[in-house]
Amino acid sequence: GAGVSQTPSNKVTEKGKYVELRCDPISGHTALYWYRQSLGQGPEFLIYFQGTGAADDSGLPNDRFFAVRPEGSVSTLKIQRTERGDSAVYLCASSSPGETQYFGPGTRLLVL
Amino acid sequence: EDQVTQSPEALRLQEGESSSLNCSYTVSGLRGLFWYRQDPGKGPEFLFTLYSAGEEKEKERLKATLTKKESFLHITAPKPEDSATYLCAVQGGTSYGKLTFGQGTILTVHP
Repeated sequence: GAGVSQTPSNKVTEKGKYVELRCDPISGHTALYWYRQSLGQGPEFLIYFQGTGAADDSGLPNDRFFAVRPEGSVSTLKIQRTERGDSAVYLCASSSPGETQYFGPGTRLLVL
Repeated sequence: EDQVTQSPEALRLQEGESSSLNCSYTVSGLRGLFWYRQDPGKGPEFLFTLYSAGEEKEKERLKATLTKKESFLHITAPKPEDSATYLCAVQGGTSYGKLTFGQGTILTVHP
């Protein structure tokens, strides 16, 4: 079956702009996760959804970052007033509760 | 706070030269230790989950083992196609969904 998909695959924006990153999880997976990966580092946890609600958002770095999952399937990560330090690969993963997390290909964000 | 340290940062092997990658961890109540493979420009690809000390899992040329403080990923007779970054992650007892990753080991296998 289809894996986790993320759009866009690449995003270039200017400092101060607003961006939205989309994640389509594996069908039937109720858990969805966002991670951020900087060059040469492992993925860093941002937020975890179980169904429509954020079960753990402790990894969001500040209030410029926000994520939603209104119908319990597709999720959108929203970044306001982007900064150059936000440049990274944003990874989405999905799973059945308590099971293995399967990752998408990521969105490469570059803030100029 | 859960912590994961991987070593070495980079490893260069000749084809057929077996070796091991290390993952040291501290966690409050281990729920699972995970190994992923990541190719350049792609997302992490799941390899193994280990749940308790003494557990071992194998897949082709890869074998993962677990103790109370570390995990090893043994690579037997590697091939160039095994070249990738190998990531280790833990899920702690109070973390529920959250995975804490190490920085990864970059493996290069020369023909």
